[in-house]
Amino acid sequence: DVQLVESGGGLVEPGGSLRLSCGTSGFNFGDHTMNWVRQAPGKGLEWVSSISSSGSYVYYGDSFRGRFTTSRDNANSSLYLQMNNLREEDTAVFYCARGPQHMDENFFDAWGQGTLVTVSS
Amino acid sequence: EIVMTQSPATLSVSPGERATLSCRASQGFSTKLAWYQQKPGQAPRLLIYGASTRATGVPARFSGTGFGTEFTLTISSLQPEDFAVYYCQQYNTWPPKYTFGQGTRLEIK
Repeated sequence: DVQLVESGGGLVEPGGSLRLSCGTSGFNFGDHTMNWVRQAPGKGLEWVSSISSSGSYVYYGDSFRGRFTTSRDNANSSLYLQMNNLREEDTAVFYCARGPQHMDENFFDAWGQGTLVTVSS
Repeated sequence: EIVMTQSPATLSVSPGERATLSCRASQGFSTKLAWYQQKPGQAPRLLIYGASTRATGVPARFSGTGFGTEFTLTISSLQPEDFAVYYCQQYNTWPPKYTFGQGTRLEIK
């Protein structure tokens, strides 16, 4: 079975940092584009970032560029999101989601259960 | 940025009836559109990609159509487990700048 498990969420003060991880199993991680999507409490889905299968190409939504960094470790089938200078409006559940091999057809066909990030003083 | 607008915001339908959900794009593109279902407390689930291709394991009562700026998700005969929030997402833009609609809540009438 395909599994994605996020971890690393929690409470952080405004201006602080947090690193999320997404461990995966059940598929060949290195063959897939990977993504982060977030959902603020009671709100809709918002694309955060995508990283190519090799890790050579990374893209971010406008709200996250310069503050967030996405990386991956194909040897350990893991995806990461380093979040800096966090704001209260970043409070959300963060999901990792699997994409296809090619980023130009990047819909999200498997999702983790999400990890909650709360930014508050 | 392509803005995706879903309508209606809430749709009330009786079990066994048909539900039609709409998604409109602010700029036209081909068929790089996906639909997701999300139940309370759960992660989204991919239903449709390429505007009309059902994802693995998705029942045949779910169908997607559309091209350009107008897309539709139809659920032919609503089952109790279908009551959820549905999101559309475009993945057409390059470099990537994916956007979701705001969601349609499908509730039991």
